[in-house]
Order: sequence, then C-alpha cells, then structure tokens
Amino acid sequence: DAMVIQNPRYQVTQFGKPVTLSCSQTLNHNVMYWYQQKSSQAPKLLFHYYDKDFNNEADTPDNFQSRRPNTSFCFLDIRSPGLGDAAMYLCATSREVRFYTDTQYFGPGTRLTVL
Amino acid sequence: AQTVTQSQPEMSVQEAETVTLSCTYDTSESDYYLFWYKQPPSRQMILVIRQEAYKQQNATENRFSVNFQKAAKSFSLKISDSQLGDAAMYFCASGSRGKSTFGDGTTLTVKP
Repeated sequence: DAMVIQNPRYQVTQFGKPVTLSCSQTLNHNVMYWYQQKSSQAPKLLFHYYDKDFNNEADTPDNFQSRRPNTSFCFLDIRSPGLGDAAMYLCATSREVRFYTDTQYFGPGTRLTVL
Repeated sequence: AQTVTQSQPEMSVQEAETVTLSCTYDTSESDYYLFWYKQPPSRQMILVIRQEAYKQQNATENRFSVNFQKAAKSFSLKISDSQLGDAAMYFCASGSRGKSTFGDGTTLTVKP
C-alpha cells in the first residue's frame, strides 16, 4: 500500500545532542511537510518542500533544518535539541494541483523526548 | 495569509446521535480547498472529508457531511449516527499554494 513512513517512531535524545528524523513516501507526491505537534494542539508547520524548493516558515527556529535528497525521502535535523523541542513530529505529503493544496497524507509521527 | 478558527475545544455526543463541529476561516486566496481531518488518540491523522471552494455543492462522505457557506467563510462538519470509533480530535484546515493552515482542533467524545 502507498503510504508515508516515519522512522523512528520514538526517539530519545539528550539536551543539545543532534538528532535526525526521517520520512519516506511511496505516493510520489511533489509536496512534503514537517509539522511539530505538542499535546493535542494543532500541528505547527515547520517547513515544506515543493519538489526541491524549500519553504521555511518565518517562525521556525534556526535549530531546525531539513533535507530532501529525492522525491521519496525527507529529513528533519534538529541541531541542538532543547527541552522545548520535545513533541510529536509529523511528516505529510500532498499533491499540488495548480494552486490548490490537495489532501495531506500523514505519517504516524515520531515522538521526540529530550532528556 | 490563512486563518482557521474552531470555537469548540470539546464536544460530546451520544452514540447514534448527530453532532456538528464548527469552523470558520479567512483567506485572501481565491482558489483553495477545505478539509476536516481526524486524529484518534495515539493514531495518525487521516482525512475525513474535503471541499473544493469553487464547488457550491456540499461534500458528503457516508455519515459525514459539511455545510459550506463561502460568503460567511464557514465550514462545519456534521457527523450522523455517531459511533464510538468517531471519538477523536478533529481539525479543520484550509489549503492553498502549497500548504495548509489548521485550526486548534475539537475533541469529540462519544458516549455509549
């Protein structure tokens, strides 16, 4: 089945120790997103890729970076995690059809714990 | 810029009854989609229903339907014959130009 896969599902890191979360998709969608979600709040968009074009949200901290080496894979790098970065990180994909943003397909998320 | 407002943080419904979740939005875009997503506890977010803003007819998916009022920028979700499996957090979202904006969510409890 076509899907969005996130690894690992649970990640524990130490304060200040870099961590990388990964996302892969078999849907061949041109847009990929990274969201941060805390405690049943709304997902907060960190950045998204439209094909290879990287789009950063204005309020995304510099501590967060992303890479998309090809259509299928996208990575979220947290250079120096702080306690406030503990959250669920959601990856999603969608098709962009003309100017419409179509349905987003979400992965199961990676829950990050910072000790 | 897009904003989405869900004014009901929590709602409850008796099993088999009908419930309506409210959503209002604001956007400067002329072309956009509207969505309701469901996020069950500890499970991944999935699409419930989608509405293309250029369509006047309200979208329907089995027990789920929307009341789309474009002039009022309102997009409510009606769940008929509620089931225990409908218990979840529901997010309203608008999407245009490569990204979606989500509301703060409504937690729906279904009472047996």
